Amino acid sequence: GENVEQHPSTLSVQEGDSAVIKCTYSDSASNYFPWYKQELGKRPQLIIDIRSNVGEKKDQRIAVTLNKTAKHFSLHITETQPEDSAVYFCAASKGAGSYQLTFGKGTKLSVIP
Amino acid sequence: DAGITQSPRHKVTETGTPVTLRCHQTENHRYMYWYRQDPGHGLRLIHYSYGVKDTDKGEVSDGYSVSRSKTEDFLLTLESATSSQTSVYFCAISGISGSTDTQYFGPGTRLTVL
Repeated sequence: GENVEQHPSTLSVQEGDSAVIKCTYSDSASNYFPWYKQELGKRPQLIIDIRSNVGEKKDQRIAVTLNKTAKHFSLHITETQPEDSAVYFCAASKGAGSYQLTFGKGTKLSVIP
Repeated sequence: DAGITQSPRHKVTETGTPVTLRCHQTENHRYMYWYRQDPGHGLRLIHYSYGVKDTDKGEVSDGYSVSRSKTEDFLLTLESATSSQTSVYFCAISGISGSTDTQYFGPGTRLTVL
């Protein structure tokens, strides 16, 4: 089955700096890659996703890049703010016909004011 | 919050007792999922459903069963709870806004098995 590796497991940045979280996946048939943000005690919230026919997607301070050849994708957060502090999860699925998501183990991001 | 509720939100039970968790959605979506979340493991799929009475196993299905007799409800049952099933359980749905694979999560149920 699919295996998703996520790095780093913890990340501390100064407010205003950029943060990058990287994930690799094993199944070349995977074609949908969402990112979730989870604050303490809350549910995971979808923040951005990308499909395999696109190399990059941006939404304000958040961007995701995908390298299908290398089977890795990354989350980029620019101009970090204290409210960005949370655990971030990447995931992968094969899309149509198999909607199961396989998650990475998470990255705890701390933004230091 | 995509119209998803879970009940109960917290439960403490004893080893060997049966437990049923309920996920309810209000928007008639076809796909529903149960995950468990444990420190160091992220979210792992237990079972999922692709329609009424249509379910399949996920990565960590041992010790769990599910049922879906109505579109809006997806039940997760622990037939005989064990301490290793202490976890936070999240339900998810997909099919919102025409995107079948984008999943949205419920608020979660914290289960403690003593």
